[in-house]
Amino acid sequence: EAGVAQSPRYKIIEKRQSVAFWCNPISGHATLYWYQQILGQGPKLLIQFQNNGVVDDSQLPKDRFSAERLKGVDSTLKIQPAKLEDSAVYLCASSLVNRAGKGYTFGSGTRLTVV
Amino acid sequence: QQQVKQSPQSLIVQKGGISIINCAYENTAFDYFPWYQQFPGKGPALLIAIRPDVSEKKEGRFTISFNKSAKQFSLHIMDSQPGDSATYFCAASIGETSGSRLTFGEGTQLTVNP
Repeated sequence: EAGVAQSPRYKIIEKRQSVAFWCNPISGHATLYWYQQILGQGPKLLIQFQNNGVVDDSQLPKDRFSAERLKGVDSTLKIQPAKLEDSAVYLCASSLVNRAGKGYTFGSGTRLTVV
Repeated sequence: QQQVKQSPQSLIVQKGGISIINCAYENTAFDYFPWYQQFPGKGPALLIAIRPDVSEKKEGRFTISFNKSAKQFSLHIMDSQPGDSATYFCAASIGETSGSRLTFGEGTQLTVNP
């Protein structure tokens, strides 16, 4: 099966600019996650969707980050305005409904550099 | 905050040796413990996972040992190969069947020398 697709692969922006990332999950996966992975650290969950509803966004900096999942399929994560500390890899993952096991698949991520 | 602590931060072993990575957790509600392998430029990929009702799980050269009373679990890579060189993350979640968040450790960069 096709994997989780993310774009762009790399993005360099200046601080205070805005940026958006796109994710297309595995077909049929109802649950979608956005993780932030800062260099040298483990991924940290930003937001979790079940179909097109938000399940958990407790760690999303809502003053600058927003995310949506249209029609329960593709998702976009936006940062506005970006800060230097937002430099990280943004990983999208998807899973079958209610499974955190073998069906939990990560994309290759978008590497964001804020200068 | 729920935490998973991982050590060592980096590990160098010779080809054919045993690689051991340790993790400790605090939240006793965690009931699913996966290990992920990540190569540069790629997302983490599930390697092996265990639930706390067993003390050990083996898949090929990879073994998880789990100590529920100590709240610790470890990954053993037998006969380590240069192709195993990657970053390894332990993780934990509450309820494999709930699709809940994964809490990751800080990662261990493994280098296997030929």
